[in-house]
Amino acid sequence: KQEVTQIPAALSVPEGENLVLNCSFTDSAIYNLQWFRQDPGKGLTSLLLIQSSQREQTSGRLNASLDKSSGRSTLYIAASQPGDSATYLCAVVNFGNEKLTFGTGTRLTIIP
Amino acid sequence: NAGVTQTPKFRILKIGQSMTLQCAQDMNHNYMYWYRQDPGMGLKLIYYSVGAGITDKGEVPNGYNVSRSTTEDFPLRLELAAPSQTSVYFCASSYSKGWDGETQYFGPGTRLLVL
Repeated sequence: KQEVTQIPAALSVPEGENLVLNCSFTDSAIYNLQWFRQDPGKGLTSLLLIQSSQREQTSGRLNASLDKSSGRSTLYIAASQPGDSATYLCAVVNFGNEKLTFGTGTRLTIIP
Repeated sequence: NAGVTQTPKFRILKIGQSMTLQCAQDMNHNYMYWYRQDPGMGLKLIYYSVGAGITDKGEVPNGYNVSRSTTEDFPLRLELAAPSQTSVYFCASSYSKGWDGETQYFGPGTRLLVL
């Protein structure tokens, strides 16, 4: 059974700093991995999707990497801004599986 | 496009009551999903549908029922509500299967409190 872990559960960082969020998974037979952002009281918004054949994806100040062999992914946020404050969730899709398996999330607070 | 819409936004139920959580999407997506998110936890799949008339169980289906009579709508029915069903419920949709690299689009959620 796939298990996805995100550590730490919460992170506070001064504005302007670069930061890295971590995601680990137990079963490396994945099709893809996604990073989502969740704002309080709102649904999830997909940030980046990495296919299993890819090593990384970039969108603006965000860069996500994937190392299937070690079961790890990182989300790098450059030059953090207060608007980046949210909960970040990673999720994987395994082969032959319809569903996303989510991690528990990291709550990020950017301090002005 | 409104995307994925959910009603109600918040509801308080008494133990043993029933209710239906509504979900609709206007993106002509084939796949629809219901998740629940407990405090401090990730989302868990309750039920999903690959098209009108076709539904299947996810990870935590007990205590819930679904139907999919149209492409647009995917209601979730709670029978005999229990405190363990206190959670935030998210509906999502996608054009194709998750392993095609197709992302899922999420609604804003329904917060349910069972007392």
